[in-house]
Amino acid sequence: DVKVTQSSRYLVKRTGEKVFLECVQDMDHENMFWYRQDPGLGLRLIYFSYDVKMKEKGDIPEGYSVSREKKERFSLILESASTNQTSMYLCASSLKDTEAFFGQGTRLTVV
Amino acid sequence: GESVGLHLPTLSVQEGDNSIINCAYSNSASDYFIWYKQESGKGPQFIIDIRSNMDKRQGQRVTVLLNKTVKHLSLQIAATQPGDSAVYFCADDRTGANSKLTFGKGITLSVRP
Repeated sequence: DVKVTQSSRYLVKRTGEKVFLECVQDMDHENMFWYRQDPGLGLRLIYFSYDVKMKEKGDIPEGYSVSREKKERFSLILESASTNQTSMYLCASSLKDTEAFFGQGTRLTVV
Repeated sequence: GESVGLHLPTLSVQEGDNSIINCAYSNSASDYFIWYKQESGKGPQFIIDIRSNMDKRQGQRVTVLLNKTVKHLSLQIAATQPGDSAVYFCADDRTGANSKLTFGKGITLSVRP
């Protein structure tokens, strides 16, 4: 089975902190994605990556950056966390032209 | 504008009945469509997908219908069970490479015993 693992289920961080959300997949997928999920807004794409060291902005990249140094790992970085970044963050991976598999999510609270 | 949206926020069905969840999309260039199910506390799980060269695809107890003329997608669940209670999302991809999936806002399916 495909497994997408996010390092934390719950995180609480302070405003202004630098936050790293880690995601690892074990199926050699080329594509990896970071979404945030908010009530009434569904899932919105923050960043995605087609390959190692490649990244492209999604629909809401402001305030975020990403890193993909290895194929299996895709990190989401909040350079200076703000309260409006309190959300559920979902990582996903896929082969080209197939469905995406999601991790369990990280619920981040910024206080 | 570009959007994928669901017609209703909630749907309540009797156990054993069939469920139909509808979705509208606005981008004519979309060529891949997918349904996900999200249970409480979990990430979305793939249910079924369909490409734009098809108008119907069946899985186990689920059927997806695509009407490109009116840009409409539906998910039919046969003999709905309590375990089907979840939030359902439709999504589309207009790049042909399963990137930048655009999701609808989700609809909650509640199954009455």
